[in-house]
Amino acid sequence: KNEVEQSPQNLTAQEGEFITINCSYSVGISALHWLQQHPGGGIVSLFMLSSGKKKHGRLIATINIQEKHSSLHITASHPRDSAVYICALNTGTASKLTFGTGTRLQVTL
Amino acid sequence: NAGVMQNPRHLVRRRGQEARLRCSPMKGHSHVYWYRQLPEEGLKFMVYLQKENIIDESGMPKERFSAEFPKEGPSILRIQQVVRGDSAAYFCASSPRTIYEQYFGPGTRLTVT
Repeated sequence: KNEVEQSPQNLTAQEGEFITINCSYSVGISALHWLQQHPGGGIVSLFMLSSGKKKHGRLIATINIQEKHSSLHITASHPRDSAVYICALNTGTASKLTFGTGTRLQVTL
Repeated sequence: NAGVMQNPRHLVRRRGQEARLRCSPMKGHSHVYWYRQLPEEGLKFMVYLQKENIIDESGMPKERFSAEFPKEGPSILRIQQVVRGDSAAYFCASSPRTIYEQYFGPGTRLTVT
């Protein structure tokens, strides 16, 4: 069983829809990251969380440490949000990241 | 402030040749990570370095692969005697300290023919 699982694997939404991507993990962590990988391959760090909730523009990330679960929400989705969204963990005290398999999001007009 | 720089962006090597991938971290960042993404697969950790030290190489294949981060200059990931299975995107990331947001470079796409 993978230490980090994401759902769904693929997601298609229409422009303007509210989107939720989920990440569950089975190990102790010191932090959880949400990353965005563009169609061209570049990777951008969106959030780093160890507790609670963070918001940046239309993106919101939450984490529940007790339930070992995090969600990434996108409000008022737009075609430019189309990308692969990756959940990654600092497991234990490790500085390296352990990655989920990603959620491929396609937002259509 | 320039981001993480990687070069080359694309590298083609024949089987048996050597590949050298370079990563210049963001200014002020002394922690460098190398990750590999095989075609249609997720990202996997390879090695974590600080200046002149390998901190964690648990994800690096035992043979043919090596990494360094010298006092001066970029971090280098070296793959000797490349094989087709080494074809992948290799990403470098840097951070100013441990357990911190990591900033990714654009990646080097290695193709072995």
